[in-house]
Amino acid sequence: AQTVTQSQPEMSVQEAETVTLSCTYDTSESDYYLFWYKQPPSRQMILVIRQEAYKQQNATENRFSVNFQKAAKSFSLKISDSQLGDAAMYFCAYRSAKTSGSRLTFGEGTQLTVNP
Amino acid sequence: SAVISQKPSRDICQRGTSLTIQCQVDSQVTMMFWYRQQPGQSLTLIATANQGSEATYESGFVIDKFPISRPNLTFSTLTVSNMSPEDSSIYLCSAEGVAKNIQYFGAGTRLSVL
Repeated sequence: AQTVTQSQPEMSVQEAETVTLSCTYDTSESDYYLFWYKQPPSRQMILVIRQEAYKQQNATENRFSVNFQKAAKSFSLKISDSQLGDAAMYFCAYRSAKTSGSRLTFGEGTQLTVNP
Repeated sequence: SAVISQKPSRDICQRGTSLTIQCQVDSQVTMMFWYRQQPGQSLTLIATANQGSEATYESGFVIDKFPISRPNLTFSTLTVSNMSPEDSSIYLCSAEGVAKNIQYFGAGTRLSVL
C-alpha cells in the first residue's frame, strides 16, 4: 500500500518570502500522479499543482512549483513571493495511474502561516 | 475542471437521527468519493461511488452506517445513520474529472452531533 508523509506539521513564512513544504511517499509502482492541495479555513480543497511521475520536468503553476525526485520518492512544494492568501493547510496526495478512479492517499498536512 | 455543490454546508443533529448529504457535479463524472475529515487532520476515504453499482467501502466503514446512492453521473448522496457524537466531523465529496485524473472537491459538510 502507498503511504504519504509530510514531516512538517506547521510552517511559517514572511509575506513576499519563499517557503518549501516537504512530502515523501512510498510506492512500488512506476506510474502515478502526485498532487498538492490547499485547504483554507473555508474547508474547500483546492488543487494547487499536479505532477505526472513519468514526466521528469517539474510542474509549475505561477508562484507554485515542485521539486520532484522520483528516485528519492520526494515531492516538495515551493511557494514563491508568499501572500497572505496562501495561508492554509496543505496536503500532499498520491494517486496510482493503474486504473480509472483510483483513490487518493493523503499526507497528514502542513499548516502554513503567512506573517505580514 | 468540475464544480461540485455540496449541501448542507453544516448541520447540528440529535443523537440517533440520520442526515443525508447531497453532492451535485456540474458535469458527468465516472467516479465520486466520500471522505471524512476530523478538524485539523487529514482526509479519510469512506467509500467510492460508481454509477450503477454499489459503493465500495474502505476498512472501518460499513454500508449500514454510511449508505451511499449514485443514481446518475452527476449526483450522489451520503447518509450518516443512527448518529452518535463520534460522527461529528467534516464530510467531503469529490469527483474525478474525465481528463488528467484530478479529483475536485465540494466545500464540505460540518456535522455536529449532540
